[in-house]
Amino acid sequence: GQQVMQIPQYQHVQEGEDFTTYCNSSTTLSNIQWYKQRPGGHPVFLIQLVKSGEVKKQKRLTFQFGEAKKNSSLHITATQTTDVGTYFCAGPFYGGATNKLIFGTGTLLAVQP
Amino acid sequence: DTEVTQTPKHLVMGMTNKKSLKCEQHMGHRAMYWYKQKAKKPPELMFVYSYEKLSINESVPSRFSPECPNSSLLNLHLHALQPEDSALYLCASSQSERAGYTFGSGTRLTVV
Repeated sequence: GQQVMQIPQYQHVQEGEDFTTYCNSSTTLSNIQWYKQRPGGHPVFLIQLVKSGEVKKQKRLTFQFGEAKKNSSLHITATQTTDVGTYFCAGPFYGGATNKLIFGTGTLLAVQP
Repeated sequence: DTEVTQTPKHLVMGMTNKKSLKCEQHMGHRAMYWYKQKAKKPPELMFVYSYEKLSINESVPSRFSPECPNSSLLNLHLHALQPEDSALYLCASSQSERAGYTFGSGTRLTVV
């Protein structure tokens, strides 16, 4: 079936420490998207990766798409309390008439000041 | 306008009630989606509308009935729901099926 798994499920860090979440798909993906959901909030689109081996940076966040386009990672350098939330990767799977975006299981990040 | 607006924000309904959730976007996005999210779980796709036509129904029970009156509006009609249907219902839109999604803030639904 269509599955997107993320590890770890939960990560607690001290402010200033680095954080990484890993995403693995059951099948090859045409692209991978990353979202952040703050506690009590809704998912917010962060970035999309399309090319094999692609690396993109947004300030302290580094996103990577694997060579086989089946895995991805998000690395946050020097975490801040504003980084708290659940990070989801998401990939498109064929749904017949159109693709459907399937979300990964998510990684909840807690940052202690 | 870069937002997706959902109303109401909170809804409590009985199992015999009929209610509707509303979603609106004015970004010119031609794809719109309904997702359901339970606590501590990822969003689960329910329906996909592409150019105002229903293109994906993820085997959702018929007590959930989507409607797309025009390219800016998406409704979700609810009837005879069960307590296990209590969840956060998220609407999203995107410029195309390959683009990032813009989510609304959701409707937190409680079925009693």
